[in-house]
Amino acid sequence: AQKVTQAQTEISVVEKEDVTLDCVYETRDTTYYLFWYKQPPSGELVFLIRRNSFDEQNEISGRYSWNFQKSTSSFNFTITASQVVDSAVYFCALSATGANSKLTFGKGITLSVRP
Amino acid sequence: DTGVSQDPRHKITKRGQNVTFRCDPISEHNRLYWYRQTLGQGPEFLTYFQNEAQLEKSRLLSDRFSAERPKGSFSTLEIQRTEQGDSAMYLCASAPPGRLRGQFFGPGTRLTVL
Repeated sequence: AQKVTQAQTEISVVEKEDVTLDCVYETRDTTYYLFWYKQPPSGELVFLIRRNSFDEQNEISGRYSWNFQKSTSSFNFTITASQVVDSAVYFCALSATGANSKLTFGKGITLSVRP
Repeated sequence: DTGVSQDPRHKITKRGQNVTFRCDPISEHNRLYWYRQTLGQGPEFLTYFQNEAQLEKSRLLSDRFSAERPKGSFSTLEIQRTEQGDSAMYLCASAPPGRLRGQFFGPGTRLTVL
């Protein structure tokens, strides 16, 4: 069975602070994909990143960066110089690599960025 | 590029009534998923279509729930004899063929059962 744990439930920071959102996963699959999605107050899930289990290189996209560590089964997400528009619920998700590829989500982390 | 669309966006119904939701995936996306999200939780998988074939159903999908994708394009999710516990956001997602690139979600249909 697959499981995603997002231990942090709510995080509040002041604008321009850096913030890291933690994600720990469990799977018996040897190959899998990891994802982060953002859900702003409007409710629509926005795809942020997909990471293949074979690729442990960290990735940076603008103010966003992701740290994938297979040894600790973690896929953490850092926002640098946070902005008010970053306020949202962030979900980490996991899928197998088969044709189905349904997503297993964590419970989400509510990030509030105060001006 | 048109995204995934869902209709209606909101539905309020009385317990015992039937409801039907529609999802239009991104054009040429052959994979279509339904998820349910309750307050404070992440989305939970309900069912998956590849083209018109329903290939997997979650145990969450009781026999009151049925989903179809008749021509491999849009999909419908019907809930019969709704219960208050069915109140949730119902999310549809689609994905293109080939290597998985991530699922793209619609805005959801929020169901309230009174």
